[in-house]
Amino acid sequence: NAGVTQTPKFQVLKTGQSMTLQCAQDMNHEYMSWYRQDPGMGLRLIHYSVGAGITDQGEVPNGYNVSRSTTEDFPLRLLSAAPSQTSVYFCASSPSRVTGELFFGEGSRLTVL
Amino acid sequence: QKEVEQDPGPLSVPEGAIVSLNCTYSNSAFQYFMWYRQYSRKGPELLMYTYSSGNKEDGRFTAQVDKSSKYISLFIRDSQPSDSATYLCAMSDSWGKFQFGAGTQVVVTP
Repeated sequence: NAGVTQTPKFQVLKTGQSMTLQCAQDMNHEYMSWYRQDPGMGLRLIHYSVGAGITDQGEVPNGYNVSRSTTEDFPLRLLSAAPSQTSVYFCASSPSRVTGELFFGEGSRLTVL
Repeated sequence: QKEVEQDPGPLSVPEGAIVSLNCTYSNSAFQYFMWYRQYSRKGPELLMYTYSSGNKEDGRFTAQVDKSSKYISLFIRDSQPSDSATYLCAMSDSWGKFQFGAGTQVVVTP
């Protein structure tokens, strides 16, 4: 009954460091996505994938990379962390890109000093 | 101008009252309309899902969509302290483009 699992839950980075946020789902969903949530801004789409080997940019992709080598995993890489990337990151999956029934992970809270 | 507008609140109501939440949007291509509930320090969870205009009821929750006015609503009847959370509206078009509202914080006081 795992659903969408994100690790780590908390992370503190220094400016310029890189790291990877992990996301795994066990529901065999084709569609996976990463959002960031900031106060007053709602959820903003960073990158998404409609299947293994296929990724595309969302609304705020700069400074982030993704890959999708398997259906289950969709890691998000911060290349050179900046204070503006301090946020709560959510991974979500869905059986269909269109219908909107997103299943979210519990979030990863990132602070960049 | 944001594509989806939602009052951030907080909205404080006494237990047992009706909670009324709404969002307005500007993109007429949106066809799927959702409400998500998010407890503090948790991920959003899908609460209600509707396609096109009309009403949908699920227990104490009623979702309404008025595409002609580009306006969606969520009503919570007989509110409980456990309904205290942030409620996010969301919508998507037939291509899968999603947009979320900023969320309304609801506090139900015993």
